[in-house]
Amino acid sequence: EPEVTQTPSHQVTQMGQEVILRCVPISNHLYFYWYRQILGQKVEFLVSFYNNEISEKSEIFDDQFSVERPDGSNFTLKIRSTKLEDSAMYFCASSKFFGPGTRLTVL
Amino acid sequence: GNSVTQMEGPVTLSEEAFLTINCTYTATGYPSLFWYVQYPGEGLQLLLKATKADDKGSNKGFEATYRKETTSFHLEKGSVQVSDSAVYFCARGSGGSNYKLTFGKGTLLTVNP
Repeated sequence: EPEVTQTPSHQVTQMGQEVILRCVPISNHLYFYWYRQILGQKVEFLVSFYNNEISEKSEIFDDQFSVERPDGSNFTLKIRSTKLEDSAMYFCASSKFFGPGTRLTVL
Repeated sequence: GNSVTQMEGPVTLSEEAFLTINCTYTATGYPSLFWYVQYPGEGLQLLLKATKADDKGSNKGFEATYRKETTSFHLEKGSVQVSDSAVYFCARGSGGSNYKLTFGKGTLLTVNP
């Protein structure tokens, strides 16, 4: 059964640094998503990606965030200058299937 | 906008007890409805789904019926096990092939032996 994979599983970074979170979605799916879950809180939609461009984004997804599908396989989320409040689990989804998540810790 | 209201937890049950976790959604459009489960330290796993009114989703002994008249999608299981201990999230989709999901706050279930 195809699955969504994410790397790394855990990323620790200093405030102000750039991070790139990687995802390999399911190959024949059309819609890809990033969500985040701050510890103990609900899962929040960040952005959806369809046909190689952003189709929808939330208020959370400000200019510090960007997404790319650079090679037709990987799907990345970049945070340009991390803040303490960016610490969360970040989930990639391929249609309704979620990856295992990347725990981002900003110090 | 779209929203999902889910029963606040935590819920603590004894093994073999009956489980209900309530979930209601805003009625805009014709959403698909989902339950996800998050085991400790793990990601989100799709538990079950329903795409239209009166559909019943079921998996691993869990069931939920899409009730349009009450805008509800309550999760039930007749006899819970210790291994069912997890956080359960109700979610609604935007409809069609777009799976942008709006989640409820999650309900922590603890099942004691």
